[in-house]
Amino acid sequence: GAVVSQHPSRVICKSGTSVKIECRSLDFQATTMFWYRQFPKQSLMLMATSNEGSKATYEQGVEKDKFLINHASLTLSTLTVTSAHPEDSSFYICSARVPNQGFLYEQYFGPGTRLTVT
Amino acid sequence: AQTVTQSQPEMSVQEAETVTLSCTYDTSESDYYLFWYKQPPSRQMILVIRQEAYKQQNATENRFSVNFQKAAKSFSLKISDSQLGDAAMYFCAYRTMNRDDKIIFGKGTRLHILP
Repeated sequence: GAVVSQHPSRVICKSGTSVKIECRSLDFQATTMFWYRQFPKQSLMLMATSNEGSKATYEQGVEKDKFLINHASLTLSTLTVTSAHPEDSSFYICSARVPNQGFLYEQYFGPGTRLTVT
Repeated sequence: AQTVTQSQPEMSVQEAETVTLSCTYDTSESDYYLFWYKQPPSRQMILVIRQEAYKQQNATENRFSVNFQKAAKSFSLKISDSQLGDAAMYFCAYRTMNRDDKIIFGKGTRLHILP
């Protein structure tokens, strides 16, 4: 199956700094990637949909200026948490949509990144 | 708006026994997809099984099968011969036929396997 990687797997940063998380599709080209946030013992919350070469589409309530998404190539999307605060500490998961499957497409998920803001 | 409801926050089952996880959903669409995802302690999301709403036959993947009741908007997951490796969070999920649409996840059920 398709493989999606994330880097880093864990990151600790100080409050006020920015941190970048990478999501890569390793063996396929993904025109669409998704970014989720998962709080402890909770479900996945979609933050934004990232399309290669265009601006990301953010879900209601997600701050665009705080969570910057860039999908500059068909295999890489990045999420930058700007001016991070302790409440941004969470588990961030990306997924990539495998193309050319007609109406049905699979989303393959990355292993996630645990962000801790101190 | 579509919603997915999992009413069992936690369940336990004896190893080798059978367990059923419940899921209901709400939608006005007639065609859509339903999924069960597994999230083990590693946090890696894994697709367990998928059901197309236009198919009457219940999907089956080895020890995993679903009971899809379209009229009742119910989509339960049955795990047979439970194994220790089945211990995980299980998320029921929904998506419309629109290829650009997002997946809507339920809150999840944590499954414990008792040795």
